[in-house]
Amino acid sequence: SQQGEEDPQALSIQEGENATMNCSYKTSINNLQWYRQNSGRGLVHLILIRSNEREKHSGRLRVTLDTSKKSSSLLITASRAADTASYFCATVPFSGGYNKLIFGAGTRLAVHP
Amino acid sequence: KAGVTQTPRYLIKTRGQQVTLSCSPISGHRSVSWYQQTPGQGLQFLFEYFSETQRNKGNFPGRFSGRQFSNSRSEMNVSTLELGDSALYLCASSLSTGSGAEAFFGQGTRLTVV
Repeated sequence: SQQGEEDPQALSIQEGENATMNCSYKTSINNLQWYRQNSGRGLVHLILIRSNEREKHSGRLRVTLDTSKKSSSLLITASRAADTASYFCATVPFSGGYNKLIFGAGTRLAVHP
Repeated sequence: KAGVTQTPRYLIKTRGQQVTLSCSPISGHRSVSWYQQTPGQGLQFLFEYFSETQRNKGNFPGRFSGRQFSNSRSEMNVSTLELGDSALYLCASSLSTGSGAEAFFGQGTRLTVV
């Protein structure tokens, strides 16, 4: 079963706008990662945030983590049509997780030119 | 550097048959994980192998099994296929020997059971 929920399930925006996706999880984590998937193909790693970090940036991506609320958000600024994809958060359990990723249900993002 | 390679890309099998999927990780990566993706259940962890040992297993029936070879290549096998096994099967490799490393995914094998 999946670790948690992501919202929204789907998001439709215009190019240039910002996109925010939220993720909640249920158990203690080692870290939280965000992945992107284009049209049912392989996943691409975007960013990793450790449990002792609160915010991380990578290019147009900003990720926040609130371990007290067991939630994370991914912000994509100045979105482009090429950002159209599904975005998944994935958590690594705090103990015994090794490289096991527990995925959320994902957010389908559509960016219109 | 070559990415994670999964073969075959597409597969059609009949109920009751068995299937073997292959995954070649990125050179130097010793951790290989497998995931099943379906529209209904989403992405679910199957198992992880490290240095030929299974060190983590998801909640799947015993019909799903895997192994890893000394060159880190991995295979997963599904026996007695059911219609519900139709899915995209994804393999991922990681460099870290510890836990929680960035995963590099292959393009997947799309299995259809008829």
